[in-house]
Amino acid sequence: ILNVEQSPQSLHVQEGDSTNFTCSFPSSNFYALHWYRWETAKSPEALFVMTLNGDEKKKGRISATLNTKEGYSYLYIKGSQPEDSATYLCAPSAPSYNTDKLIFGTGTRLQVFP
Amino acid sequence: DAGVTQSPTHLIKTRGQQVTLRCSPKSGHDTVSWYQQALGQGPQFIFQYYEEEERQRGNFPDRFSGHQFPNYSSELNVNALLLGDSALYLCASSLSASGRYEQYFGPGTRLTVT
Repeated sequence: ILNVEQSPQSLHVQEGDSTNFTCSFPSSNFYALHWYRWETAKSPEALFVMTLNGDEKKKGRISATLNTKEGYSYLYIKGSQPEDSATYLCAPSAPSYNTDKLIFGTGTRLQVFP
Repeated sequence: DAGVTQSPTHLIKTRGQQVTLRCSPKSGHDTVSWYQQALGQGPQFIFQYYEEEERQRGNFPDRFSGHQFPNYSSELNVNALLLGDSALYLCASSLSASGRYEQYFGPGTRLTVT
């Protein structure tokens, strides 16, 4: 069973600040790591899917890195904006019978103040 | 492209009743997964359907059942509702059987059991 931990649970920053979150998961039994951004009353939005150790992905001001050997991923937001306010979820997928079952952490809730 | 759609948006049921939730996957996707998000938790995997069959199941009782239709749409059925079944139910669709592909989520159905 994968145990996924995200930290911090919540974060309040000022507009323009850069921030980062951590997702920890067991380094064994790893298949892929997904990051989602979830605004209130909307659908979770896929940000990144990463599979290789050392992977780095970027989408605009948001980037993510992956370390499968030690079992963690970082999500960075450069120059946070109020529209970045959301819950950020990470989810390793469990390599069981070729399914893409996601094991979610409880998320990091980000609030960006103007 | 309509993306993943779910119906209804909200639902109120009483203990002991049965409920059916519906999901239409993103165009071109053939796999549907269902997740339950209870308050303060990350989404928990219920089961996944592919080629009209349940491919994998999470740690949920048999009261939770599902179905996938030839057009890839899916239903989640919950029998003998308990207060603890109150949650947001998310449907996610993906293409085929790889955890390396993004899963696209719908906005969810909020179920309240009284």
